[in-house]
Amino acid sequence: GAGVSQSPSNKVTEKGKDVELRCDPISGHTALYWYRQSLGQGLEFLIYFQGNSAPDKSGLPSDRFSAERTGGSVSTLTIQRTQQEDSAVYLCASSLLPSTLPSTQYFGPGTRLTVL
Amino acid sequence: RKEVEQDPGPFNVPEGATVAFNCTYSNSASQSFFWYRQDCRKEPKLLMSVYSSGNEDGRFTAQLNRASQYISLLIRDSKLSDSATYLCVVNGASGTYKYIFGTGTRLKVLA
Repeated sequence: GAGVSQSPSNKVTEKGKDVELRCDPISGHTALYWYRQSLGQGLEFLIYFQGNSAPDKSGLPSDRFSAERTGGSVSTLTIQRTQQEDSAVYLCASSLLPSTLPSTQYFGPGTRLTVL
Repeated sequence: RKEVEQDPGPFNVPEGATVAFNCTYSNSASQSFFWYRQDCRKEPKLLMSVYSSGNEDGRFTAQLNRASQYISLLIRDSKLSDSATYLCVVNGASGTYKYIFGTGTRLKVLA
């Protein structure tokens, strides 16, 4: 079965441009997470979706960052007016959300964003 | 204080050695704990969940100490292929599914 996929795998953009990153979770997984990992750093939580709603957006660094999820499946993370400090690997993960127990997250391969 | 703290290492150990990592967490209400493995320039992958009673999977043993708020990972008979960064993961608060990742402990197993 297919795992979590992300596109593009690499994105190079100029400062000030907008970028859109896509995540296709594992079919049937209701929870979807976005993280950011800068070079040599740990994972920084950005946002998570439960179905199409985002109960926790607390990790979004600024109002230039937004995310949406449609149909309980695909999610897009949009960064407007990119800055050099936005350069990082953006990782998406999904998990099957049992009613009583938190569950394993399965990660996509990430999108490596470079802002020049 | 960080929510999840790990010694960054690197831990350099010879093949066959036993090595242990600890991870401390600050939220006493946390209920779920995991160890993930991340190879260089790859995505994290689940190594094992950590249960209250402790659990073992082959050469890997995970323990949880709620009183002292730490989890541990023990690797016996280290292999070269165990070289990676090991991430401690804790769920942020009771009733939520927000996970907090530690910055990882880097392990190098030497021939």
